[in-house]
Amino acid sequence: QKEVEQDPGPLSVPEGAIVSLNCTYSNSAFQYFMWYRQYSRKGPELLMYTYSSGNKEDGRFTAQVDKSSKYISLFIRDSQPSDSATYLCAMSATGAQKLVFGQGTRLTINP
Amino acid sequence: ETGVTQTPRHLVMGMTNKKSLKCEQHLGHNAMYWYKQSAKKPLELMFVYNFKEQTENNSVPSRFSPECPNSSHLFLHLHTLQPEDSALYLCASSQEYFSHYHQPQHFGDGTRLSIL
Repeated sequence: QKEVEQDPGPLSVPEGAIVSLNCTYSNSAFQYFMWYRQYSRKGPELLMYTYSSGNKEDGRFTAQVDKSSKYISLFIRDSQPSDSATYLCAMSATGAQKLVFGQGTRLTINP
Repeated sequence: ETGVTQTPRHLVMGMTNKKSLKCEQHLGHNAMYWYKQSAKKPLELMFVYNFKEQTENNSVPSRFSPECPNSSHLFLHLHTLQPEDSALYLCASSQEYFSHYHQPQHFGDGTRLSIL
């Protein structure tokens, strides 16, 4: 079993739709949960991170963590074609900042 | 320049060649990382340097040899690579590696490596 599972997609939705991206994990030591966005031919850029359980909102993006279910989500409201990218979830415990990544979900927003 | 810069952006080499990848960060960070990104696989951590000392070696074959002469520069020396080593190699940096608090990692745009 992989430490972090993420559906690779691809996922294609119309502009303006609400997008839900998800990851599950098995290591209960994870405390920090991150979402990275990676455009084609670019490196990953950090979108949001959350410590422990709860929600975090930043503009059109909302990150949710449910540690009891070992499940994290990223919601994108009013999706735009510029949101088309691969979204990577990543996690780490405290102490050593060793990130464990999901496979990434390729998302396309159609105008 | 700002952020994390990687050179070259693309590299094609034969299995018997020796080449080096370079990474430079202008963020004042003390930790630097090498990752491998292959198609349909998660990013794999290869090496970590913290204050110029190698802290992590994730069971990487010896044909990959990292070097960190100072906190701003990181190299990955390559020799006798195999076709399965073709991938995107990403460099990242963060303020430090060991911390009770989250230390965001900033990535470069990678070197696309193709082994003939």
